[in-house]
Order: sequence, then C-alpha cells, then structure tokens
Amino acid sequence: EAQVTQNPRYLITVTGKKLTVTCSQNMNHEYMSWYRQDPGLGLRQIYYSMNVEVTDKGDVPEGYKVSRKEKRNFPLILESPSPNQTSLYFCASSSGRAEQYFGPGTRLTVT
Amino acid sequence: LAKTTQPISMDSYEGQEVNITCSHNNIATNDYITWYQQFPSQGPRFIIQGYKTKVTNEVASLFIPADRKSSTLSLPRVSLSDTAVYYCLVGGLKTGANNLFFGTGTRLTVIP
Repeated sequence: EAQVTQNPRYLITVTGKKLTVTCSQNMNHEYMSWYRQDPGLGLRQIYYSMNVEVTDKGDVPEGYKVSRKEKRNFPLILESPSPNQTSLYFCASSSGRAEQYFGPGTRLTVT
Repeated sequence: LAKTTQPISMDSYEGQEVNITCSHNNIATNDYITWYQQFPSQGPRFIIQGYKTKVTNEVASLFIPADRKSSTLSLPRVSLSDTAVYYCLVGGLKTGANNLFFGTGTRLTVIP
C-alpha cells in the first residue's frame, strides 16, 4: 500500500529537549515536505526537499532542521524545542505536479 | 510565489451542489491549480487538478476561466461526509514540494 508514515503520532516533551520526528514514504517520490498546522493559520510549509541531499526552507523554518540522506526518509529535527512549536505536523511526498500525499500527522506538545 | 484567496467558510444543505471559488491573480504560465480536502486531525487529501477549462473526476469538477485568475471547485450533491476544509493551491509542473501555499482554506459545513 502506498503511504507516508510518521512517528511518533503523539509526543509531549519539555523545552530544550532535542527530538526527531521521522517520515518515510514507499512511493519512490523525489519531493518531500514538512508542514505545521495551527488553528487560524492553516498549513504552513517548514522545509522541503527536491531529492536526496537537496533541501530548502519553506515559510516557517526557524527552529527546525531537516536532512535527506535517503530518498524514502525525511526526518524533522527540533534541536531545542520551545512551547511555540507546539503544533500538528504533517509530512508529505510527491512525484511532482503538486499532487502530494500526506502522512497521518504528529501532534507535538512542548511544555 | 502565487498565493490564493478563498472564502473562510461556507454552509450547504445535504444534496445541494457546492461551488467554492478561489482567486489567484498572480498565477504563472506554468502553474497548475490543485484542490485538497482535509478532515480534522488528518492530512490533506488530493481532490482534483487542472490547468485550464474544465476537469472532472469521480469526486468533483474544476472550472478554470480563460484568464486563469480564478478557479471554482464544484462538489455535486454534497453529503454530511463532505464537511471538511478545502484548500486551493497553485504550483508549477515540477513544483513538487516547492514552497506551496496552502493558506487557511474554506471550511465547508454540510447541514442535514
């Protein structure tokens, strides 16, 4: 089954404790993205990747890092999480033409 | 970056046709128009995509006028399960993940 998976689905952590949210796709897609979704602000792109070792900033990259060492994986790293990064996070992948496949989401709470 | 403008919310009764219009005045020549549907706490799901005129699939129709500065998503005979947020995006042929703008979308509520 074609899918995008994210782990963990839910995470509660404390300020400053480094964390990684994993994202994996099994569709051999070139493009992958991370979004965050907050009430009243819609979906905002954090980072995107056009292929292995090629990444670029989206609209809200501050406080986040990404890496793309393998085509199927695109982890999101929060090196020092803060409460304003409490959000619902989505990973997505596509082969182009803006038709993206989204993961189930990761709900992160930073206290 | 081509951004879009949509109504914040719409209400419709079950069984009616719903049309959601999106404005994208700065659309570029190689941009496609794509619509997504999102249910609460789920990732957006692709509905339909088009470049010009009319596109129809089993779920919806997409109408794009000649100037392409707007588009209309048409949902025939909506049901309660169509209650969701609908997003209009514009992007190029090879946009893939390139800095797509989702915005806040249109919250459609279907009333029994």
